[in-house]
Amino acid sequence: KQEVTQIPAALSVPEGENLVLNCSFTDSAIYNLQWFRQDPGKGLTSLLLIQSSQREQTSGRLNASLDKSSGRSTLYIAASQPGDSATYLCASPGGAGANNLFFGTGTRLTVIP
Amino acid sequence: DAGVIQSPRHEVTEMGQEVTLRCKPISGHDYLFWYRQTMMRGLELLIYFNNNVPIDDSGMPEDRFSAKMPNASFSTLKIQPSEPRDSAVYFCASSLMGSNQPQHFGDGTRLSIL
Repeated sequence: KQEVTQIPAALSVPEGENLVLNCSFTDSAIYNLQWFRQDPGKGLTSLLLIQSSQREQTSGRLNASLDKSSGRSTLYIAASQPGDSATYLCASPGGAGANNLFFGTGTRLTVIP
Repeated sequence: DAGVIQSPRHEVTEMGQEVTLRCKPISGHDYLFWYRQTMMRGLELLIYFNNNVPIDDSGMPEDRFSAKMPNASFSTLKIQPSEPRDSAVYFCASSLMGSNQPQHFGDGTRLSIL
């Protein structure tokens, strides 16, 4: 069973700062790694999906990396804005061909104007 | 294009009552997932369907929980009888081609069992 951990549980940064969110997983035979954003009272919004054969994916100010050997993924947010305030979750399937996602407990990000 | 639609958004009921949560996936998506989110356990997969067929229900906590997908555009999650420990936010998500594609989530149903 894939176990996914996110530390810290909460993070506050001033607006404009670059920041990194961390995600660790136990099974290095990872199929893919997904990053989601959750706003209060809302469902999850997919941000980036990194396949096991990839090292990183970029979308706008977001860049996600994957290091299978160390069991880690990072989500880099450049030039943070108050609108980036949300909870960020990472998730990974239970294995190749599996469709069940195992989620971390998330990092709650607050960007202070 | 409409996203995943869940109803109701909020449900408050007394223990012992039957609860039915509803989900309309994104048109054309062939996978549908039901999740439960709590502070203590985070986000947990309950069951998922592929082409309307239940594939993995190992996350369903007890026989009190059941889920159906009678057609490609509708699914229900039923709890009977409900208990206070079932209080949580229940999410439905859909995707094309399973875990190799992003899942699209509804806004959830916040369920409170008194």
